[in-house]
Amino acid sequence: EDQVTQSPEALRLQEGESSSLNCSYTVSGLRGLFWYRQDPGKGPEFLFTLYSAGEEKEKERLKATLTKKESFLHITAPKPEDSATYLCAVQAWDDSWGKLQFGAGTQVVVTP
Amino acid sequence: DVKVTQSSRYLVKRTGEKVFLECVQDMDHENMFWYRQDPGLGLRLIYFSYDVKMKEKGDIPEGYSVSREKKERFSLILESASTNQTSMYLCASSLWGRSNTEAFFGQGTRLTVV
Repeated sequence: EDQVTQSPEALRLQEGESSSLNCSYTVSGLRGLFWYRQDPGKGPEFLFTLYSAGEEKEKERLKATLTKKESFLHITAPKPEDSATYLCAVQAWDDSWGKLQFGAGTQVVVTP
Repeated sequence: DVKVTQSSRYLVKRTGEKVFLECVQDMDHENMFWYRQDPGLGLRLIYFSYDVKMKEKGDIPEGYSVSREKKERFSLILESASTNQTSMYLCASSLWGRSNTEAFFGQGTRLTVV
């Protein structure tokens, strides 16, 4: 059974204090790993897709990396507007319909 | 930009009522999904659809049904609402294919069953 575990559950950072979020996954064959950002009371907003080990993607202060067993979301010099819950999800290769298996998320709070 | 629109942001319904949650997407996506999100449990798939009139059960379909009469519209139905269905409901859509299969979400419907 596909499984996604995110750590830590919550992270409190000072503005400018870089850190990393972890997403460990178990899947029969990985079609894609997805990162989303979710603000309180809103739907998840797509950030990145990673397809193969060694791949990296960047967007502003966020950088996502992928290995065969886990993905990291690095937040460099965060600002208060980076405060959100970050969700990781995997899609299995043998799934034709695009179903996503989500982790429980990491809640990030960045204080000025 | 892809837009997925859910008909209500907040709903309050009574136990036993039949509840309809509507979702519309404007990007001609084949796949549409309904998830519910609860604290500590993450997003869990209720039902999904890969074509008009086609539907498949997700991980937690009990107490729910769906309808897809048009490609752009996917409805979630709570046949007889119960308090344990109080949750945030999220609709999503995606393309079908080998790549670019990221899902795009609506803003969510916070449902309270009293």
